[in-house]
Amino acid sequence: NAGVMQNPRHLVRRRGQEARLRCSPMKGHSHVYWYRQLPEEGLKFMVYLQKENIIDESGMPKERFSAEFPKEGPSILRIQQVVRGDSAAYFCASTDRRGGSQETQYFGPGTRLLVL
Amino acid sequence: AQSVSQHNHHVILSEAASLELGCNYSYGGTVNLFWYVQYPGQHLQLLLKYFSGDPLVKGIKGFEAEFIKSKFSFNLRKPSMQWSDTAEYFCAVRWDFGNEKLTFGTGTRLTIIP
Repeated sequence: NAGVMQNPRHLVRRRGQEARLRCSPMKGHSHVYWYRQLPEEGLKFMVYLQKENIIDESGMPKERFSAEFPKEGPSILRIQQVVRGDSAAYFCASTDRRGGSQETQYFGPGTRLLVL
Repeated sequence: AQSVSQHNHHVILSEAASLELGCNYSYGGTVNLFWYVQYPGQHLQLLLKYFSGDPLVKGIKGFEAEFIKSKFSFNLRKPSMQWSDTAEYFCAVRWDFGNEKLTFGTGTRLTIIP
């Protein structure tokens, strides 16, 4: 049962380092969403990507964060020069088509980032 | 901005007790509504969803939810809880503004005592 895969599951970084989080969508899915869950908060939308396109990045911090979903390979969420406030759980979700009113997002297990 | 409220942050129940978790959202209009569950150490799983039609929807594991449009609510219910239902429960809403993202509530941490 190949669901949404994320790796690593846990990532520890020191302040100033780069964090790279990977997400492989479910087989046949070509749309990926990234969400962040800060401690004691709900999941917050960051970015929505289709292969080779960023569709909506309205939830991405303006600096240090970037995302991509290349034609081949997983989607990558990159955080440069991490700070302690970046410590959170980062979840990826995928769907098989864009938009519509009958779409369900399927989530991965998340990557828990800890910045020391 | 759109928002989703879950008023119960931590709920503790005994086995066989009934459950109702509240979920309210801020705006009207056309919405898609979801409840997700996250068991300890696992990923979010879809419990149930509402897109249209019968406002009482049934999901997996005996859960159901009722959409009340006039109250902007989508409360989750289960008549008899089991210890294995211990998990965190998230309500999520997608507004039909041509935007695909889900807006989540802060979650309810549910502990079932045997």
